[in-house]
Amino acid sequence: EDKVVQSPLSLVVHEGDTVTLNCSYEVTNFRSLLWYKQEKKAPTFLFMLTSSGIEKKSGRLSSILDKKELFSILNITATQTGDSAVYLCAYILTGANNLFFGTGTRLTVIP
Amino acid sequence: AAGVIQSPRHLIKEKRETATLKCYPIPRHDTVYWYQQGPGQDPQFLISFYEKMQSDKGSIPDRFSAQQFSDYHSELNMSSLELGDSALYFCASSNGGVTEAFFGQGTRLTVV
Repeated sequence: EDKVVQSPLSLVVHEGDTVTLNCSYEVTNFRSLLWYKQEKKAPTFLFMLTSSGIEKKSGRLSSILDKKELFSILNITATQTGDSAVYLCAYILTGANNLFFGTGTRLTVIP
Repeated sequence: AAGVIQSPRHLIKEKRETATLKCYPIPRHDTVYWYQQGPGQDPQFLISFYEKMQSDKGSIPDRFSAQQFSDYHSELNMSSLELGDSALYFCASSNGGVTEAFFGQGTRLTVV
């Protein structure tokens, strides 16, 4: 059975800290992994990762996929209170067109 | 820029009642996806439509039905509501596959 597991479930850090969020997956017919940020409302897209070992970067956020060890990490450097959110990873299967989400990591950044 | 519009934003229904949630996709988007997110849970895929035809089906209960209309808006109909149906219902739309989908703000349904 396909599954995706995120860790930690919850994380509290101080502003300025660097955090690493993990997403492990066991998926048959894996195509891509996506990261989303969910504040109070709709998930907003962060990254899509299809190839192994290629880092994607957007400002203080970066992410990479390891298709051999079946995981992805999302790094946030110099965290700010505005980074407080639930971070969801999701996978998409080859030939499919819907997302399967993990349970998310709740990040709280305190001043 | 126009986003995905969902209505209503909040809805409170009693058990065994019926609810209809609406989703208006971004203009020129031809695909709509519905997700259900229970309290503290990850979003679960329910159903999707492409060009007004059902394209994929997930964990949608038989009590639920959905369709996409000629103007591409979609409605999720939920009957015989149960307490466990209380959740945030997201709609997303895209014009190039789910990896390019934009999510609406969601409808929070509370069944009492």
